[in-house]
Amino acid sequence: GAGVSQSPRYKVTKRGQDVALRCDPISGHVSLYWYRQALGQGPEFLTYFNYEAQQDKSGLPNDRFSAERPEGSISTLTIQRTEQRDSAMYRCASSLAPGRNSPLHFGNGTRLTVT
Amino acid sequence: AQRVTQPEKLLSVFKGAPVELKCNYSYSGSPELFWYVQYSRQRLQLLLRHISRESIKGFTADLNKGETSFHLKKPFAQEEDSAMYYCALELYNAGNMLTFGGGTRLMVKP
Repeated sequence: GAGVSQSPRYKVTKRGQDVALRCDPISGHVSLYWYRQALGQGPEFLTYFNYEAQQDKSGLPNDRFSAERPEGSISTLTIQRTEQRDSAMYRCASSLAPGRNSPLHFGNGTRLTVT
Repeated sequence: AQRVTQPEKLLSVFKGAPVELKCNYSYSGSPELFWYVQYSRQRLQLLLRHISRESIKGFTADLNKGETSFHLKKPFAQEEDSAMYYCALELYNAGNMLTFGGGTRLMVKP
């Protein structure tokens, strides 16, 4: 079946603009995670959902970042007033259930470049 | 705070040579550890996890709590093993909120 789908694959935006990154998880997966990966570094946890409920947003760097998953399926990560330091690969992952026995399935990521 | 360190950014070996990708962690509790792999032009995917004690594609990893390490090993590297490898730590009962290391690029030369 289809894997985790992220769009767009690439996004170039000017500093100060808002961007919305979309993630469509594997059908039936309860949990959805957002990670950010700067160049030369490993992925860094941002936030996650079980169904439509945001369970943890401790990794969001500041209040310009927000995420939602209103119907428990597709999720959107929004960055307002983008800054150059927001440039990174944004990775979405889903898992069938919460917890360590349910492995993460990652999408291809969205590469965001803020000029 | 928890931390995962992969000291080597790049590891280059010849085909058939043994491989060891190092991973050290800092966490006072009982962690669960994983290795994720990203092959060229593919998605990041789970390679193996400590809890299942399995060998995937000939790779194994042993958790050494005394040394706080979870090194990834393979006795004979293959060219198709060339990829980016990430070690990750999950805090007890923290679901899939993972702390990743910086990654090691493995290049297996013919």
